[in-house]
Amino acid sequence: KQEVTQIPAALSVPEGENLVLNCSFTDSAIYNLQWFRQDPGKGLTSLLLIQSSQREQTSGRLNASLDKSSGRSTLYIAASQPGDSATYLCAVIITGGGNKLTFGTGTQLKVEL
Amino acid sequence: NAGVTQTPKFRILKIGQSMTLQCTQDMNHNYMYWYRQDPGMGLKLIYYSVGAGITDKGEVPNGYNVSRSTTEDFPLRLELAAPSQTSVYFCASTYGGVGNTIYFGEGSWLTVV
Repeated sequence: KQEVTQIPAALSVPEGENLVLNCSFTDSAIYNLQWFRQDPGKGLTSLLLIQSSQREQTSGRLNASLDKSSGRSTLYIAASQPGDSATYLCAVIITGGGNKLTFGTGTQLKVEL
Repeated sequence: NAGVTQTPKFRILKIGQSMTLQCTQDMNHNYMYWYRQDPGMGLKLIYYSVGAGITDKGEVPNGYNVSRSTTEDFPLRLELAAPSQTSVYFCASTYGGVGNTIYFGEGSWLTVV
């Protein structure tokens, strides 16, 4: 059974700092890995999707990497801003039908002024 | 284009009552999902559908039922509500194919007392 773990569970940083969020998964037979952002009381917004054949994806100040063989992904946020404060979740789609996502428990990020 | 719409946003149920959470999407997505999110936990898949007339169980289906009579709608029914079903419920949809973005509704907060 696929298990997805995110470390740390919570993180507080000063504005402007570069930071890394970690995601690990136990079964390397994945189709892709996605990073989501969740604001309090809201649904999830997809940030980046990395296909299993790719090593990284970038969008603005965000860069996500994937090392499938070691079962790890990182989300790098450059020059953090208070507006980046949210919970960040990673999820993997495993091989097999339905494109079902298995989620990690998330990292709650707070960027302070 | 409204995306994924869930109703109701909030609901309090008494133990043993039944109710239906509504989900509709206007993006002509064939895949739809219901997840639940408990405090401090990742999302767990309840049921999913890969097209009208086709549904399948996820990781935590007990106590729930679904139907998919149209492409747009994917209601989730709770029968004989129990306190363990107190949670936030998210509906999501995507096109088939592992490289496609998944879109989430804003969630339905359910409390069973």
